[in-house]
Amino acid sequence: GQQVMQIPQYQHVQEGEDFTTYCNSSTTLSNIQWYKQRPGGHPVFLIQLVKSGEVKKQKRLTFQFGEAKKNSSLHITATQTTDVGTYFCAGRIIIQGAQKLVFGQGTRLTINP
Amino acid sequence: KAGVTQTPRYLIKTRGQQVTLSCSPISGHRSVSWYQQTPGQGLQFLFEYFSETQRNKGNFPGRFSGRQFSNSRSEMNVSTLELGDSALYLCASSFSGTNYEQYFGPGTRLTVT
Repeated sequence: GQQVMQIPQYQHVQEGEDFTTYCNSSTTLSNIQWYKQRPGGHPVFLIQLVKSGEVKKQKRLTFQFGEAKKNSSLHITATQTTDVGTYFCAGRIIIQGAQKLVFGQGTRLTINP
Repeated sequence: KAGVTQTPRYLIKTRGQQVTLSCSPISGHRSVSWYQQTPGQGLQFLFEYFSETQRNKGNFPGRFSGRQFSNSRSEMNVSTLELGDSALYLCASSFSGTNYEQYFGPGTRLTVT
């Protein structure tokens, strides 16, 4: 089953509103990566978080890694139409003794200008 | 630097046939990973190659195989195609593995009829 759960699946906002997507795992993650995929495009790396409780910012984007390293979030302040796309988290999990990168299902963000 | 390239970009095959997809990573990158992306299942990890060796494998049947050449280029093969294999196949390269920033190619859109 899905080991990295991401919610919500879809989010529609008015331009200027904030947006948050959440990523949860039942097991501890070694690290977590975030990607953005524009419609018709391919995933583009945004950031990697490694440390417990880590918070990183990229302009209007804020990424957090939970204290227990089992959850993460991406928050966008004052969305713009250029933020449209699907945001994926990818957590590194140990499965059967091997480290594997498991992607969440993604949150598709649409924006009303 | 040139990005990750994948060929062909689009492919239509019939059930039962086999297909080979190609991926050329960014120069200097030794790790190539393959993913299957479908609307229902999201991004599913197929396998990772590093220095011509398969380092990690996802939960796909043996019909899916791959290899990496000494110049880091990689190929993925799917034998005995099924309708459910219709998907976008993405390859991603990184300097030393999925524990680092991955650069995705544009993908190969495979349609099985």
